[in-house]
Amino acid sequence: GAGVSQSPRYKVAKRGQDVALRCDPISGHVSLFWYQQALGQGPEFLTYFQNEAQLDKSGLPSDRFFAERPEGSVSTLKIQRTQQEDSAVYLCASSFRDTGYGYTFGSGTRLTVV
Amino acid sequence: DAKTTQPNSMESNEEEPVHLPCNHSTISGTDYIHWYRQLPSQGPEYVIHGLTSNVNNRMASLAIAEDRKSSTLILHRATLRDAAVYYCILRDRPIEDSSYKLIFGSGTRLLVRP
Repeated sequence: GAGVSQSPRYKVAKRGQDVALRCDPISGHVSLFWYQQALGQGPEFLTYFQNEAQLDKSGLPSDRFFAERPEGSVSTLKIQRTQQEDSAVYLCASSFRDTGYGYTFGSGTRLTVV
Repeated sequence: DAKTTQPNSMESNEEEPVHLPCNHSTISGTDYIHWYRQLPSQGPEYVIHGLTSNVNNRMASLAIAEDRKSSTLILHRATLRDAAVYYCILRDRPIEDSSYKLIFGSGTRLLVRP
């Protein structure tokens, strides 16, 4: 497609439930990032893939968060045993090359944990 | 990554120029200055970037101080669609196989009055 697609757009989870968030990057884009954005704050980095390799996962807040990109295209962010503090918008971005500019972000998945 | 300082909010009248400032007194010689903006309910969008010289594109202009300790994003004629949070981000030049994550601050919320 023309842009980065994220699904679902909205997700409501009960505390303790596992969730999976999907990101479809722009075709051919090598780099893929996940960010977490709490209400009223700027996005915070979670993890980075170059093709299928997860090169940086320093931003993942706990071992309940797991991301994968097995074939170097679609990526999934999984959160196990969700907690209320996980409520946020989860953004995915991709770029053809790692230059810092020209990153294309998706519209995000808004996760609400109740 | 070096830190940036931006005003929390600014207001502008429609069809007037807007100058969004960013201070980055600890910038290193290899840090690029990037600007992204985030419209309501959307992911961030690339606006412009530069290293030393002033830059122009179809969206905006970037004026960089001679000592590089500050920069200004210029929207030549603000429209209602320019109402967004604007982020000024510093990032070092790409290095092979390193993470190219962008570190977002709180940004400047731009309000455009009709």
